[in-house]
Amino acid sequence: EVQLVESGGGLVQPGGSLRLSCAASGFTFSGYSLNWVRQAPGKGLEWVSYITGSSRTKYYADSVKGRFTISRDNAKNSLYLQMNSLRDEDTAVYYCARDMGSGWANDHWGQGTMVTVSS
Amino acid sequence: QSVLTQPPSVSAAPGQKVTISCSGSTSNIGNNYVSWYRHLPGTAPKLLIYENNKRPSGIPDRFSGSKSGTSATLGITGLQTGDEADYYCGTWDSSLSAVVFGGGTKLTVL
Repeated sequence: EVQLVESGGGLVQPGGSLRLSCAASGFTFSGYSLNWVRQAPGKGLEWVSYITGSSRTKYYADSVKGRFTISRDNAKNSLYLQMNSLRDEDTAVYYCARDMGSGWANDHWGQGTMVTVSS
Repeated sequence: QSVLTQPPSVSAAPGQKVTISCSGSTSNIGNNYVSWYRHLPGTAPKLLIYENNKRPSGIPDRFSGSKSGTSATLGITGLQTGDEADYYCGTWDSSLSAVVFGGGTKLTVL
């Protein structure tokens, strides 16, 4: 069974940093690209970042470019999101999702981890 | 303002059919596959449709997808109260080099 479990969320002050993790199991981790997607309170889904299985290609939403860094450790079956210079508008539930390898669709998602940026 | 445009809400009675539209442009829907998701806030989103009209295993055939030009549509037949959720379309935008989602549509089963 495919499982994605996010962790690392919490309360952080504006300008601070946080590192999210996503532990994966139930599939050949290195064979799949992964995404981070977030949902701010009362808002819709917003894509944050994408990384290929080899880490060769990474994409970022304009709203986080230069502040967030996506990475992965295939030996540990883990995905990460390093978030720096956090802003109030980064407050959201952050989901990791597996790209199914067809048409940019995500076929498995974690339950999410909450990040609150507030003073 | 989302790159993909969805109606904020739709409603229908149990047993009826509903469609949810998703409008984009040539840089996204017009030249890329569309996927659809169901989401209840606080839970994991669920993939309903990929590659415009394909259903993952376990998704009933009450759910269907179609695409024409720069627009896509999700159809749900035989509505059940359990179908109440937020529905999102998504695709790749070649101009932005980004995954884009619609703003979401809240389905109410009256």
